[in-house]
Amino acid sequence: GEDVEQSLFLSVREGDSSVINCTYTDSSSTYLYWYKQEPGAGLQLLTYIFSNMDMKQDQRLTVLLNKKDKHLSLRIADTQTGDSAIYFCAPASGGSYIPTFGRGTSLIVHP
Amino acid sequence: SQTIHQWPATLVQPVGSPLSLECTVEGTSNPNLYWYRQAAGRGLQLLFYSVGIGQISSEVPQNLSASRPQDRQFILSSKKLLLSDSGFYLCAWSVGRGSSYNEQFFGPGTRLTVL
Repeated sequence: GEDVEQSLFLSVREGDSSVINCTYTDSSSTYLYWYKQEPGAGLQLLTYIFSNMDMKQDQRLTVLLNKKDKHLSLRIADTQTGDSAIYFCAPASGGSYIPTFGRGTSLIVHP
Repeated sequence: SQTIHQWPATLVQPVGSPLSLECTVEGTSNPNLYWYRQAAGRGLQLLFYSVGIGQISSEVPQNLSASRPQDRQFILSSKKLLLSDSGFYLCAWSVGRGSSYNEQFFGPGTRLTVL
């Protein structure tokens, strides 16, 4: 099955950029998702990228995909305190198309 | 619009007691339904998913079971809870059309503590 690795914590200063990295193992991943989890709540889709793309930009969010290295990253520009949350990388493979979630990266934004 | 409900929000149960968590979805038909568990430091683990009434796929062998008695109702059960069953249980749904794009919509979760 798919293995997804993320670093557990990232601390940034308000206004700086945040970069959350993810590596995965299944080269047949089709859609690769980023979900955000606020404290004590469920997850919400933040953005996604299709496997035939290298980059996707959505306002403050930039997703980069390196298929050769099976590396996915999420960049948040001008990080705000409201961005403090857990971010999950979740690539979905062919077949069931059910995403496999990483352990999540806790983003801590301090003033 | 679609909404997903889970209850209870919080549950404290003794070891060996039974469990029943319920999830319902409104505003959509024939959804795919999922149960996940989020344990401390272990990320999100898929437990069960269902593509239709009475159709359950189990991803992890354990003392939990799932049932889907109605199209938009998904139930997670256990006959005897273990300490290791403690965690945050999340129900989710996605559009059940077999599309490769599979955005999942999550409920608010149930925090289960087994003592």
